[in-house]
Amino acid sequence: GNSVTQMEGPVTLSEEAFLTINCTYTATGYPSLFWYVQYPGEGLQLLLKATKADDKGSNKGFEATYRKETTSFHLEKGSVQVSDSAVYFCALSTNTGFQKLVFGTGTRLLVSP
Amino acid sequence: DTAVSQTPKYLVTQMGNDKSIKCEQNLGHDTMYWYKQDSKKFLKIMFSYNNKELIINETVPNRFSPKSPDKAHLNLHINSLELGDSAVYFCASSGGTVAYEQYFGPGTRLTVT
Repeated sequence: GNSVTQMEGPVTLSEEAFLTINCTYTATGYPSLFWYVQYPGEGLQLLLKATKADDKGSNKGFEATYRKETTSFHLEKGSVQVSDSAVYFCALSTNTGFQKLVFGTGTRLLVSP
Repeated sequence: DTAVSQTPKYLVTQMGNDKSIKCEQNLGHDTMYWYKQDSKKFLKIMFSYNNKELIINETVPNRFSPKSPDKAHLNLHINSLELGDSAVYFCASSGGTVAYEQYFGPGTRLTVT
């Protein structure tokens, strides 16, 4: 079946540090890949997405590259801010049939000043 | 103007009661979803509707019954509430059924005592 594995959190960083949150997936066919972010007390928001191999999604300084050979979609940011503190979810969606997002378990990021 | 709204935001009730959560989207989307997020932040899809028709029904107890009176609304009714139903329930919508961004509501925190 389809599944997403994310690194355990929390990830604790100081402001301006480099961020990597690992995400790997298992899927039949060629899924689309997403990163969603959940700020405290809010619903999820799409952060970025990639729909085919070697695509790079980017938004708000965050980037992730769809790596088919390693079945990975790691999230990176060069310099985090306190306002980036949130829970980050990696997700996949198969590109056939009706869309069903399969989420990873989420990684909490805590950024201190 | 809120894109995906849910009511109520908080719901506290006793075991055995029946309750409903309402969801509305003003994005003109054809597809709507219900997700359950447990205490460990794990998100799992429950149902999906496309043009008022049920297209995804995960292994959810029969006590949960979604209803879509029109494309803009997807309500969730829960009978005979149990302690294990305590969670945050998110409604979402998307403009299509394959690889489209999903827009999430703010969530309804259900507490069963």
